Amino acid sequence: GENVEQHPSTLSVQEGDSAVIKCTYSDSASNYFPWYKQELGKGPQLIIDIRSNVGEKKDQRIAVTLNKTAKHFSLHITETQPEDSAVYFCAASIPDYKLSFGAGTTVTVRA
Amino acid sequence: EAQVTQNPRYLITVTGKKLTVTCSQNMNHEYMSWYRQDPGLGLRQIYYSMNVEVTDKGDVPEGYKVSRKEKRNFPLILESPSPNQTSLYFCASNRSGQEAFFGQGTRLTVV
Repeated sequence: GENVEQHPSTLSVQEGDSAVIKCTYSDSASNYFPWYKQELGKGPQLIIDIRSNVGEKKDQRIAVTLNKTAKHFSLHITETQPEDSAVYFCAASIPDYKLSFGAGTTVTVRA
Repeated sequence: EAQVTQNPRYLITVTGKKLTVTCSQNMNHEYMSWYRQDPGLGLRQIYYSMNVEVTDKGDVPEGYKVSRKEKRNFPLILESPSPNQTSLYFCASNRSGQEAFFGQGTRLTVV
């Protein structure tokens, strides 16, 4: 099955700086790569996703890049704000199959 | 409002006492899954279902059962809970290759 590795496990950034989280996946058949944000006491929520026919996608301060050859994808958050503090999960999915999640990154934005 | 509803949100039980955590979605999604979340281990899939009467094991199925008699419901059953099943549980639903929607979580403690 698919194996997703996520780094770093914790990330502390100064408010206004950028944050980058990286994930690798093992199965070249994976074609859907979502990112989820989990705030304290809540379930994970999708913040951005990318498909294998796209190399980069951006939504305001959040961007995701995908390198299919190297089998890795990254989340970039620019101009971080205190409300960006949360746990972030990457995931990968083979068509018509389950999502496999990374172990999560706890992001802390220091004021 | 599109949502996944889990009950109960919190549960403390004793070893060996059968329990059921309910999950219901109102989006007519084919796929439903159960995850457990433990510190440092991310979201690990317990069971998933691709449609009514179709279920399959995830990564950590031991000690759990599920059923999918109706499209909207996907209960998680612990026939004989043990302390190592103390965890935070999430139910999720999605369409194939699409965003997964998560419930609010059930925090289970087995003493």
